[in-house]
Amino acid sequence: GAVVSQHPSWVICKSGTSVKIECRSLDFQATTMFWYRQFPKQSLMLMATSNEGSKATYEQGVEKDKFLINHASLTLSTLTVTSAHPEDSSFYICSARGTGGPLNTGELFFGEGSRLTVL
Amino acid sequence: AQTVTQSQPEMSVQEAETVTLSCTYDTSESDYYLFWYKQPPSRQMILVIRQEAYKQQNATENRFSVNFQKAAKSFSLKISDSQLGDAAMYFCARWAGNMLTFGGGTRLMVKP
Repeated sequence: GAVVSQHPSWVICKSGTSVKIECRSLDFQATTMFWYRQFPKQSLMLMATSNEGSKATYEQGVEKDKFLINHASLTLSTLTVTSAHPEDSSFYICSARGTGGPLNTGELFFGEGSRLTVL
Repeated sequence: AQTVTQSQPEMSVQEAETVTLSCTYDTSESDYYLFWYKQPPSRQMILVIRQEAYKQQNATENRFSVNFQKAAKSFSLKISDSQLGDAAMYFCARWAGNMLTFGGGTRLMVKP
């Protein structure tokens, strides 16, 4: 199956700093990438949808200035948590969807997730 | 809001027995897909099974099968011959309108 790699898997930062998380599709072109946030023992909540070369679409309640998403190429999307605060601590998961063939069925391929802890 | 509902926060099954996880969903789309994902302690999301809404036949993948009731908007997962490695969080999800929406999850415990 298609592989999505997410990095870093674990990051600790001080309050006020910015953190960048990368999501790469390793063996397919991901025209659309999705960013989810998961709190402990809860489900995945969609934060935003990014299409290559265009601005991300954010879900209601997600601050676009705090969670900057860039999808500059067909294999890379980044999520930058700006001026991070302890309440931003969470598990962030990216997923990618290709086009055509068996990938064009709605199936998403998920990264390993990134655990962010803001001190 | 179009939702996906998993009414069982936790389920328990004896090893080698069968367990069914429930899921209901809401959608106004005519074309959609349904999924069950497994999330073990590693937090990596693993696709268990997929069902296209236009297909009447229930999907099956080895020990995993679904009962898809389109009119009732129900999509349950049956795990046969449960194994210790099946213990995980299970999420039902619906793909429609270029978005994947998850249910709240069911924690499955497998007793040896």
